[in-house]
Amino acid sequence: AQTVTQSQPEMSVQEAETVTLSCTYDTSENNYYLFWYKQPPSRQMILVIRQEAYKQQNATENRFSVNFQKAAKSFSLKISDSQLGDTAMYFCAFMKHDAGNMLTFGGGTRLMVKP
Amino acid sequence: GAVVSQHPSRVICKSGTSVKIECRSLDFQATTMFWYRQFPKQSLMLMATSNEGSKATYEQGVEKDKFLINHASLTLSTLTVTSAHPEDSSFYICSAREAPGREYFGAGTRLSVL
Repeated sequence: AQTVTQSQPEMSVQEAETVTLSCTYDTSENNYYLFWYKQPPSRQMILVIRQEAYKQQNATENRFSVNFQKAAKSFSLKISDSQLGDTAMYFCAFMKHDAGNMLTFGGGTRLMVKP
Repeated sequence: GAVVSQHPSRVICKSGTSVKIECRSLDFQATTMFWYRQFPKQSLMLMATSNEGSKATYEQGVEKDKFLINHASLTLSTLTVTSAHPEDSSFYICSAREAPGREYFGAGTRLSVL
């Protein structure tokens, strides 16, 4: 079974600064997806970024980028130029590559962006 | 991006009644949909995997007779909480999978059982 661990229950960052959220996972699979989801106070789950394990290049989406270290089973999220709207719960998630497989979520990191 | 509609967003019911929650993929077909439960300040807990035209697969510890799931079409899955009790009060979230690695979430349903 896969496990996903987010070791930082809460973090805070000043507006316009950079913050990195940590995520590690445990799997024996070679082909899989990794995700970061954002859950703002509205509780709508929003996909932030997706990484396919076979791709060595780190995924980026505007101010969001990941540091994917496959050998270390680490998948951290960097948020640059933090904005007040980035305040949310962030969940790291893992999914085996096959179509019917479920997402396995980490426990989440609560991020507060301070003005 | 793809849109998943979940209704109702909030429901309050009396103990012993049944509540139905709908999850629709609006602009894509989803052969697989998922139902999650989320307690305050906690992560999402998968309840069941719903495949179109077949019986749902429930996670260990989830009562299939209490949480009835029907996936009647490629765009609709429903979760019915039967004979709801206060301990069933929670936030329920559905998701629909467009393709491997592309899963979209509904806005969630807050259920309060009095």
